[in-house]
Amino acid sequence: NAGVMQNPRHLVRRRGQEARLRCSPMKGHSHVYWYRQLPEEGLKFMVYLQKENIIDESGMPKERFSAEFPKEGPSILRIQQVVRGDSAAYFCASSVTDGSNQPQHFGDGTRLSIL
Amino acid sequence: AQSVAQPEDQVNVAEGNPLTVKCTYSVSGNPYLFWYVQYPNRGLQFLLKYITGDNLVKGSYGFEAEFNKSQTSFHLKKPSALVSDSALYFCAVRDPGGGADGLTFGKGTHLIIQP
Repeated sequence: NAGVMQNPRHLVRRRGQEARLRCSPMKGHSHVYWYRQLPEEGLKFMVYLQKENIIDESGMPKERFSAEFPKEGPSILRIQQVVRGDSAAYFCASSVTDGSNQPQHFGDGTRLSIL
Repeated sequence: AQSVAQPEDQVNVAEGNPLTVKCTYSVSGNPYLFWYVQYPNRGLQFLLKYITGDNLVKGSYGFEAEFNKSQTSFHLKKPSALVSDSALYFCAVRDPGGGADGLTFGKGTHLIIQP
């Protein structure tokens, strides 16, 4: 499958635990975006990364959330000390360039549930 | 700041009839506009985009959209609906002149095609 791969598809955590969401972009894509989707709402932009660089994190909550896209391996979205309000679907998208006219290709998401 | 409005939470259309899903936008400059479709428990699939040029854009699965600058609209259309078109549709905008690097999405419109 040459598409954007996200894992796990479903993740359950208890309040206070850490959640790590992984995203492997499409082959040949070096630009990664993370979005959060709450029930009955559209996707909200969180962060845009290129290899080893955070380009735009204007949509990231200031605390507990962090993202990285290392030189080797997948992009990681990390949520520390999760709370009930973090329950959502988290989607990763990738594009081949940073041109704003390029479509972003989405993975199937990670559905995070906080007990 | 850029924004997108999808005024209809749900659109019901009989199979074989034409369909329209409405979208209006607000950006400071010339917009880049996108339509995506989401099936249950899946990520978003790219349908079509408007960047520049012809106001009528043709995309995947027989869908098309018309860019109307004076009305700041980008409605999605299809001449003859199929039951398999039933899904959640998102309009998105990106302002190439500034703002966040991610897409700004509308809240989505449920399209239901009745046999």
